[in-house]
Parts: sequence; structure tokens; C-alpha cells
Amino acid sequence: LAKTTQPISMDSYEGQEVNITCSHNNIATNDYITWYQQFPSQGPRFIIQGYKTKVTNEVASLFIPADRKSSTLSLPRVSLSDTAVYYCLPPSNTGKLIFGQGTTLQVKP
Amino acid sequence: DSGVTQTPKHLITATGQRVTLRCSPRSGDLSVYWYQQSLDQGLQFLIQYYNGEERAKGNILERFSAQQFPDLHSELNLSSLELGDSALYFCASSAKTVPQYFGPGTRLTVL
Repeated sequence: LAKTTQPISMDSYEGQEVNITCSHNNIATNDYITWYQQFPSQGPRFIIQGYKTKVTNEVASLFIPADRKSSTLSLPRVSLSDTAVYYCLPPSNTGKLIFGQGTTLQVKP
Repeated sequence: DSGVTQTPKHLITATGQRVTLRCSPRSGDLSVYWYQQSLDQGLQFLIQYYNGEERAKGNILERFSAQQFPDLHSELNLSSLELGDSALYFCASSAKTVPQYFGPGTRLTVL
């Protein structure tokens, strides 16, 4: 049975790098791992997606080890506006796209 | 603006009633996903459609049903509503294998 685990919450300060790790076992081997950001009362927003090793875009980096049993979202130099809930979405063998429980990131000044 | 539209934005109704939530995907996206998010809870996968066909089903109650029409818009029907059905309901669309663009959601309040 697939299980996805993320830390419930994290605190950081402005300007710091934040790494959020999601553990996911028994995932589909041939599809992407995806991360989203959600602000209160808004729909989730796609941040980044990767299959293996490292992916970087203008917002974040995503690190995926060879066994793909985890993924780490890295946010460089966070600001107050990065305070949000971050969800990982591992690929599913069953077609049921089940999000992790979400990590609430609080960025402090 | 994600390009996904959902109507209505807010819905207040009573227990036992039936409601229909509507979603219009981004132009060209064939997949539509429905998620439920209760207060301070995560995103619960309900159902996915691809080009009019049901693709995957999550923990969707028997009182709930959905469909995707030939013009690719989708509707989520919730019947015999209970207090616990109060939640935000999100629709997402995609041209890939994961939900890419989420709508603003419909906030359902059951009194």
C-alpha cells in the first residue's frame, strides 16, 4: 500500500534556504513526482516536477534519489510570501493521485 | 489565473439537499480531477476524468457522482448532503498525467 509522509510544519526565517522532504513508497516507476504550493482559500499551484536526480526552475529545486522513495523540495532564500502549505504528489500505481498531508511553512521576519 | 473556472464560488444549502458543482478546464486540457478539502485538512482525491471517461476513483462517497461532458466541462453532484460535506471542492485540469492547474474552488456550506 502506498504511503506518503511529509513533516506537518516547518519554521524558517527570511533569506534562509528551506528543504521539505516527502517520503513515498510503492510509487509508480514511470511517472513524475510533483510539488504544489497552497495559500489559504486558494487552489494549489504547481511548483515543480521531476523524475529523477535534480530539477531546477525559477522558483525551486527538486532532488530525487535514485530509489525515488523520497523527494526534497528546496526553496532558496525564502521570503514572507513563501508562507504557505506545500504538498508533494507522488505518481500512483493505481491511478489515484493522492497528495501528501501537506507541510505548513511559516517564514518569519 | 489558472484558466480553470469553477462555479459557483460559494454555496450554502441545507442537510438532505442536492447540489451541482461545475468546472471548466483550461482550453485543450482533456483531464479533469476533483478534490475535497475540509477545514484545515489536506486534499482528498475524489475522481478523475479523461476525455469524457472515468479514469480513476478515490474515496468518493456513493452520494457523490461526477461526469465529464463532450465539451470537456465537468460536474460534481453531491446529494443527501450532510454537515460533514461542508468543504472546499477543487477542480483541476491537465494535459499531462498529474493535475496541473487548479481552479479557485467552490466553498460548500451545509447547514
